[in-house]
Formats: sequence, structure tokens, C-alpha cells
Amino acid sequence: SQTIHQWPATLVQPVGSPLSLECTVEGTSNPNLYWYRQAAGRGLQLLFYSVGIGQISSEVPQNLSASRPQDRQFILSSKKLLLSDSGFYLCAWSVRPGVETQYFGPGTRLLVL
Amino acid sequence: GESVGLHLPTLSVQEGDNSIINCAYSNSASDYFIWYKQESGKGPQFIIDIRSNMDKRQGQRVTVLLNKTVKHLSLQIAATQPGDSAVYFCAESPLTHDMRFGAGTRLTVKP
Repeated sequence: SQTIHQWPATLVQPVGSPLSLECTVEGTSNPNLYWYRQAAGRGLQLLFYSVGIGQISSEVPQNLSASRPQDRQFILSSKKLLLSDSGFYLCAWSVRPGVETQYFGPGTRLLVL
Repeated sequence: GESVGLHLPTLSVQEGDNSIINCAYSNSASDYFIWYKQESGKGPQFIIDIRSNMDKRQGQRVTVLLNKTVKHLSLQIAATQPGDSAVYFCAESPLTHDMRFGAGTRLTVKP
């Protein structure tokens, strides 16, 4: 069966510090991968998606970036965090975009102080 | 832009009663719809899905109804239990990578 992991589970970072969140998927090959952000009590905002290694599409301009160095690894990064980057970050995967379910990881709660 | 929305932000029901959570969508090109359940501090969990060529789909204690005429989606939970307390999201997919999510409805089950 497929599983998706995210780490760390919780992160507290000062403003201006770098960020690296990691997501890995097991049990499937060539998944479509997604990064979402969820503000408290709000819906999900798609940040990035990837259909393959090295292929990243950005949905929202911001100071975050994403990379996919391996087939089942998706990384969310920032060079300098802003207070507004605080939130709950979710990674998801799907087999075929648009016609099949996206399955979510456990999420990373980021607090920027 | 087109979006998915929810009629009710909160819903409180008595344990054992049936719950109905509603969702409106505006993109008539959407072909695939999903309901997710999100417990506090966790990622959304798939509950049930439905494609646009169906009007109804049933799972274990859950039923999703799709009314394409009025662009309305609902999730029915039978015999609601305390463990059903969570935020429920609907999502629509117009055959692109951008699966759009509603803001969510918080379901609270009273014992």
C-alpha cells in the first residue's frame, strides 16, 4: 500500500531563517506531488505541483520554492521566512491529476516568530 | 474565478442523528468530486468520491449526492458518532492539476 511521510511534524523558526520541509511517498512510482498551505480555520491553497523529477509548477507567487530531486521526494524551501509563512503545510500525491484522488500526508505545522 | 464553497461553516448534531453537509460548486466543467475529513492537527483523509456521470454513491455510513443541475454536492453521514467530529471539505476537479477545495464545515457531535 502507498504511504506518504512528512517531516518535521512541527517547526518553530525565526523570521529570516531558511526552511526545508520534506515529503516522501512509498509504494508508488512516478506520482504527481503537491504542496498545499492551510491557514488556521481556512481551506487549502495549492502552492506547487510536480508531474516528474525536476518538473515544478508554481501556483502562487511567494518566497517559497519547491524541488523534486527524486521520483518520490518533494521538498518545500525558503531562503528567508516571513511571518506570513506560518501555517499548516500539507503534501499530497495522486496517480493521475484531475481524475483521481489526492492523498495527503500528516502535515507540518510551521510557526514563524 | 470559479470556486467551490460550502453553505454552512459549522454543524452540530446529536450522536446517533444523521448529518448532512452541503457544498456548492460553480465550475460546470468539473468532472470529479471528493469529500475529505480533517481531524485537528492532521492531514485531510479521503472519505468518498463521485464522478459527474453519477448522482449518488454510497460508502460505509456515508452517501454523496451530486446534483449537476444546481451544481450542488452533499455528504450524508448516517448515525453520526463522536469520532465523526472533524472539518469536512469538498473538492472539485476540472481535469486539471488544480483541485479546488472549499473552506470546510466543522461538524461537532454532541453525546
